[in-house]
Amino acid sequence: KAGVTQTPRYLIKTRGQQVTLSCSPISGHRSVSWYQQTPGQGLQFLFEYFSETQRNKGNFPGRFSGRQFSNSRSEMNVSTLELGDSALYLCASSKRTTGAGELFFGEGSRLTVL
Amino acid sequence: AQSVTQLDSQVPVFEEAPVELRCNYSSSVSVYLFWYVQYPNQGLQLLLKYLSGSTLVESINGFEAEFNKSQTSFHLRKPSVHISDTAEYFCAVSDGSSGGSNYKLTFGKGTLLTVNP
Repeated sequence: KAGVTQTPRYLIKTRGQQVTLSCSPISGHRSVSWYQQTPGQGLQFLFEYFSETQRNKGNFPGRFSGRQFSNSRSEMNVSTLELGDSALYLCASSKRTTGAGELFFGEGSRLTVL
Repeated sequence: AQSVTQLDSQVPVFEEAPVELRCNYSSSVSVYLFWYVQYPNQGLQLLLKYLSGSTLVESINGFEAEFNKSQTSFHLRKPSVHISDTAEYFCAVSDGSSGGSNYKLTFGKGTLLTVNP
């Protein structure tokens, strides 16, 4: 079956702009999580959505937001982009029916902020 | 708060040599433990996991990891590596006691395993 699909794969923005990233989870997976990966900070948890509700949130400023639709697809938005937002943004999905966080990751959206 | 320390940022080895990638975690609650692998320009793939039961867990491609509660460690080992094992490996932990928060993973900074011919 198809894996986690993230679009776009690469994008370049300038400071002050905003960006929206999209994630389509594996069919049947209702939980979608987002992570930011940078060389300096590594992988950091942004937030998790399940049944269109944010269930967990990491320590990121309010410029980072997300949502989940009724078909489990998710988007994340970053407003007023800063140079430090340049990163690989990874989406992961899971069934969330068992008691542990086994995640299936997409290939990521690589954001460059100039 | 949970934290994960991967003691080596880079591990170079020769093909067919054994390797151990070290991982220590800090948590005051019961935990679930994971190893993920990331190949260049790809997302992360689950390599193996410890949820409960036997403390030794194995993957289908020859890796194994042992959960050691007293030492709060979850080291990854392989007796004989291949060129194709070259990748970055991430150790991760989640809260094993709470049904609401165990889908938030805390990752280590990663270990780049380079297998040379």
